[in-house]
Amino acid sequence: DAGVIQSPRHEVTEMGQEVTLRCKPISGHNSLFWYRQTMMRGLELLIYFNNNVPIDDSGMPEDRFSAKMPNASFSTLKIQPSEPRDSAVYFCASSSGSEQYFGPGTRLTVT
Amino acid sequence: AQSVTQPDIHITVSEGASLELRCNYSYGATPYLFWYVQSPGQGLQLLLKYFSGDTLVQGIKGFEAEFKRSQSSFNLRKPSVHWSDAAEYFCAVAEPQAGTALIFGKGTTLSVSS
Repeated sequence: DAGVIQSPRHEVTEMGQEVTLRCKPISGHNSLFWYRQTMMRGLELLIYFNNNVPIDDSGMPEDRFSAKMPNASFSTLKIQPSEPRDSAVYFCASSSGSEQYFGPGTRLTVT
Repeated sequence: AQSVTQPDIHITVSEGASLELRCNYSYGATPYLFWYVQSPGQGLQLLLKYFSGDTLVQGIKGFEAEFKRSQSSFNLRKPSVHWSDAAEYFCAVAEPQAGTALIFGKGTTLSVSS
């Protein structure tokens, strides 16, 4: 199995630009999670889906953030417009039970 | 609110020495408990988990953890540390059911000296 796939691995963009992060979960997993990791706040949940339906988006910082899961094999996290404080590593994880498997992350730098 | 505390931000251990990383949680009932490891620039890898039953759980890479309900703790241990164990370690909790999100501690960075 290829594991959770995230793209891009690195993204550098200018303030005000739109950023889209992508995630392909492990085949057969029905839960997908987006986490953000920063030095100040550590690892925190942004949003998660069960069976493609958003269950908890209380961690999404602002309306500038949106996430979709159009099918069981793909999810996106979009930031528009991006700001320097959005710089972080964004992880996607998937699960079919209680164990979550993490992707390698996308390191986002907003200048 | 649920929370996880890892009291030690950074620990240095000599190679071959034993290791214990502390984790305390705040939760109304017994949650699911996890330890993850993150090497620099990498994602998180699950070391071990506790759902129920035997309070001493074995994981990968020679790690084990013990759940102590009375202390709300889930400490990670390894009898003999290898240089390759240098990484950041995260304790996490989740509601005791499938398909729920993890709440992480702030992590403990382990350095191994020769």
